[in-house]
Amino acid sequence: NAGVTQTPKFQVLKTGQSMTLQCAQDMNHEYMSWYRQDPGMGLRLIHYSVGAGITDQGEVPNGYNVSRSTTEDFPLRLLSAAPSQTSVYFCASSYRGTASYGYTFGSGTRLTVV
Amino acid sequence: DAKTTQPTSMDCAEGRAANLPCNHSTISGNEYVYWYRQIHSQGPQYIIHGLKNNETNEMASLIITEDRKSSTLILPHATLRDTAVYYCIVRVQLIYNQGGKLIFGQGTELSVKP
Repeated sequence: NAGVTQTPKFQVLKTGQSMTLQCAQDMNHEYMSWYRQDPGMGLRLIHYSVGAGITDQGEVPNGYNVSRSTTEDFPLRLLSAAPSQTSVYFCASSYRGTASYGYTFGSGTRLTVV
Repeated sequence: DAKTTQPTSMDCAEGRAANLPCNHSTISGNEYVYWYRQIHSQGPQYIIHGLKNNETNEMASLIITEDRKSSTLILPHATLRDTAVYYCIVRVQLIYNQGGKLIFGQGTELSVKP
């Protein structure tokens, strides 16, 4: 099924561990982004990419790395997990261009850092 | 970047129209207004978008004032399944006009009651 796939759906990490959250889309979307959502709050942009090889920081980039080697994949890496990174992470994708398009979101990865 | 202001919460009776307002007084001429909703802890779902004309699709209608400083999302016959947080977002254009970052605010929590 076409869409945005995030793995894993749930993850528990110990403080200091590193891990990669996976995001893949099969719609040939150029634009991809990562958000985090803390309890009772809206979504905050972490990093985004406008195409393979191009990434940039969003509102809350510290503690996260991204790369975009292919159009389909946009992994998010936590370098050294901290309890403050406990959150729900959403990946989104969209077509690029001056015309307006809606964004498609994945179902989220629920991360707990203990 | 244009900011949006929405009421924190609203109630609506089932079967009635739900009218969700949004202020975006600093919107630029080439920025679109997007509406998304998030049901419980799922990924946000695209509803509708517009530039300056009123728009309608199978889910909702979007009314944008002539000066573009505010808009209203209308769910014509709200059901219990429309209970969600609704986000009004102004799409920020990147400097080379390729896609655009979505910056979320706090949204409006809509409760549809029987």
